[in-house]
Amino acid sequence: SAVISQKPSRDICQRGTSLTIQCQVDSQVTMMFWYRQQPGQSLTLIATANQGSEATYESGFVIDKFPISRPNLTFSTLTVSNMSPEDSSIYLCSVSWLAGELGGTQYFGPGTRLLVL
Amino acid sequence: QKEVEQNSGPLSVPEGAIASLNCTYSDRGSQSFFWYRQYSGKSPELIMFIYSNGDKEDGRFTAQLNKASQYVSLLIRDSQPSDSATYLCAAGDSGYSTLTFGKGTMLLVSP
Repeated sequence: SAVISQKPSRDICQRGTSLTIQCQVDSQVTMMFWYRQQPGQSLTLIATANQGSEATYESGFVIDKFPISRPNLTFSTLTVSNMSPEDSSIYLCSVSWLAGELGGTQYFGPGTRLLVL
Repeated sequence: QKEVEQNSGPLSVPEGAIASLNCTYSDRGSQSFFWYRQYSGKSPELIMFIYSNGDKEDGRFTAQLNKASQYVSLLIRDSQPSDSATYLCAAGDSGYSTLTFGKGTMLLVSP
């Protein structure tokens, strides 16, 4: 596995503003993902962050609302744009390697708790 | 639409008992299956993964996979109060890339 950190760990934001969440891994990984977990709910995949190219978004999520960057194999950012109270959630990054028996296994960062007022 | 179904619980078991958590999945193309444990306020933590039909044991945990029935289970032997958490089942796509998560089963182990 790897050590995965996220910044900020939590934030309170005003509606209409944007927040950028960072995910840093201590080793190179193949895949990086961004999830949202709303209170009492399971994880919903927002997008796969692709190194050097545009992210792959899941149905219901668009780049204008959730722009994602992945400049290298250890770092990614997710921006939540023009926030509304409905964006209040926990945002999680995860990483995986596509090799051997651990292929597809995802490991999660500690999460970012976002409250939008 | 790929779906993973879990009973939301809570599943209550006494300390020392066997806890049985179940999961079904809709996509027959799924090849990999994962169990994560999530304590309240924390991020998911990988417990086990299983790719082949049958049982896979790791300490007190046993994962069971039946691809014909599209069914995955997790058995926790000698349950401890520290096992009290939400258990998330996830199915991987055939490309070993994205995961689809169930809504999780809350497990409560009473002393």
